[in-house]
Amino acid sequence: SAVISQKPSRDICQRGTSLTIQCQVDSQVTMMFWYRQQPGQSLTLIATANQGSEATYESGFVIDKFPISRPNLTFSTLTVSNMSPEDSSIYLCSVSQASQFFGPGTRLTVL
Amino acid sequence: GESVGLHLPTLSVQEGDNSIINCAYSNSASDYFIWYKQESGKGPQFIIDIRSNMDKRQGQRVTVLLNKTVKHLSLQIAATQPGDSAVYFCAENRKNTDKLIFGTGTRLQVFP
Repeated sequence: SAVISQKPSRDICQRGTSLTIQCQVDSQVTMMFWYRQQPGQSLTLIATANQGSEATYESGFVIDKFPISRPNLTFSTLTVSNMSPEDSSIYLCSVSQASQFFGPGTRLTVL
Repeated sequence: GESVGLHLPTLSVQEGDNSIINCAYSNSASDYFIWYKQESGKGPQFIIDIRSNMDKRQGQRVTVLLNKTVKHLSLQIAATQPGDSAVYFCAENRKNTDKLIFGTGTRLQVFP
C-alpha cells in the first residue's frame, strides 16, 4: 500500500487563525480524501480532493471553511479557516488504491 | 495519549481468547466493506476487507463475516493479544463511489 505522510502531526492554534495541513503520498494516486475525526468519535468525510479541479464537498462542509488543493497526483492540502474550538479534531487524509489507506493524521487543538 | 474512543462501546477480553466485534451497516447498496484498527495517536490501519459477493474472508488471525440479509458485519480476532488493543471501525463503501461511511467504532481492551 502507499505510504502517506502528513504535516504537521499536531498543532495548537488560536481561534480566528487558519492552518494548512499537507498530505504527501509516495506514489501517484487518483483519489485522495480528507476526513475529520472529532474527539471520541468516528471519521466523517469532508471532501474528495480532485486533481486539476475543485474538490467535491460532503454535506455540511464548505469550500470557504475547508479549502483544498490538489496540484498533482501525490500531494494535497486542507486548510481549516477561521478556526474555532469546535474545529479541534484529528484531520486525516486517505488514498484509494485497491482499498483505502490513511495517513497518520494531524491533531489540531484550537484555543 | 489521544482521546480516540472515549465514549465508544468497549469489549474486554482476556489475552488468548477470541474476540468478536460487530457492526451494523446502513445501506443495502453498499458493496464493499473494510475493517480498520486505530491505535491511540495513529491513523486508521487497514485490517481486512470483503466484497458483497462473499460472506466470509480470512486473514492472518482475523476473519470477517458478512450477512447481507440483516446488514451485519463482524470481525473475529483469534488468540487476542495485548497488541490488539485499539479502537476498531467498520466502513462501508457505497456502490460506484469511493466514499467510505464509518461505523461508530468499538474499543477492544485485552487484559492478561
